[in-house]
Amino acid sequence: DQQVKQNSPSLSVQEGRISILNCDYTNSMFDYFLWYKKYPAEGPTFLISISSIKDKNEDGRFTVFLNKSAKHLSLHIVPSQPGDSAVYFCAATDSGYSTLTFGKGTMLLVSP
Amino acid sequence: DAGVIQSPRHEVTEMGQEVTLRCKPISGHDYLFWYRQTMMRGLELLIYFNNNVPIDDSGMPEDRFSAKMPNASFSTLKIQPSEPRDSAVYFCASAPAGPANQPQHFGDGTRLSIL
Repeated sequence: DQQVKQNSPSLSVQEGRISILNCDYTNSMFDYFLWYKKYPAEGPTFLISISSIKDKNEDGRFTVFLNKSAKHLSLHIVPSQPGDSAVYFCAATDSGYSTLTFGKGTMLLVSP
Repeated sequence: DAGVIQSPRHEVTEMGQEVTLRCKPISGHDYLFWYRQTMMRGLELLIYFNNNVPIDDSGMPEDRFSAKMPNASFSTLKIQPSEPRDSAVYFCASAPAGPANQPQHFGDGTRLSIL
C-alpha cells in the first residue's frame, strides 16, 4: 500500500519553461514533506521541504505547494534548466518520527 | 565536509555468497538509515539506528538480512545467503539529532548484483 504516490514516472520540459512535479499522499498523520533530487550513480540530495503549517515554501527557482485537504503537493521549477534533469523523489514524515516514506520518483528531462 | 561514504560502490557475486555493505555516516549525526531501491518498490527503508542502537528493523525483508552499528562512525548491512532477488541499489543515509524533520544525507549507494 503506497502511502506516497508520484503518478508520473517521467516528465519532459523545454529549457526556460516551468516544470511541475506532483505528489499525493494518503496518510493523514504526515505533516512534513520533502523533495529530493537524484542524479544517476549518486545518492538522493535534499532539495526543499514544507511543513503542514504552511501551504507554500520557496527557495530560488524551486517552490513547493501543499494542499492539505487534497493531500497533494507539487514542486515547481521556474525556469527549468538542463542541469535540473534528474529523478525527483517526494518524501513524507510524521514529525514525531525520524523515518521518511518515499514516492517512486519522477524522472525530469529538461531539453535545451 | 565528507558526506556519507559507502563501500563498495559495486558488488557482483554469486547466489549463496555472503555480502557485506559498509557505511560511514557524517560525523556528529545521530541517526543512520539503510534503504534499498528497486524499480518495483522504489526506495524502501530497511532499518534505522539512533545513537548506534537499532530502533526499527521492520523493513528488513527476512532473516538473511542483518545490520549492525558497532560505533558512531561505522555500520554494516549483511546478506547471508544472498539471492538474485536481493539485486538492488542499497543506500545509507544519516541525519543529525533534533526534530524528526532534519533532512537525511545519502551516500552514493552500493549497486548489488547477485547472479
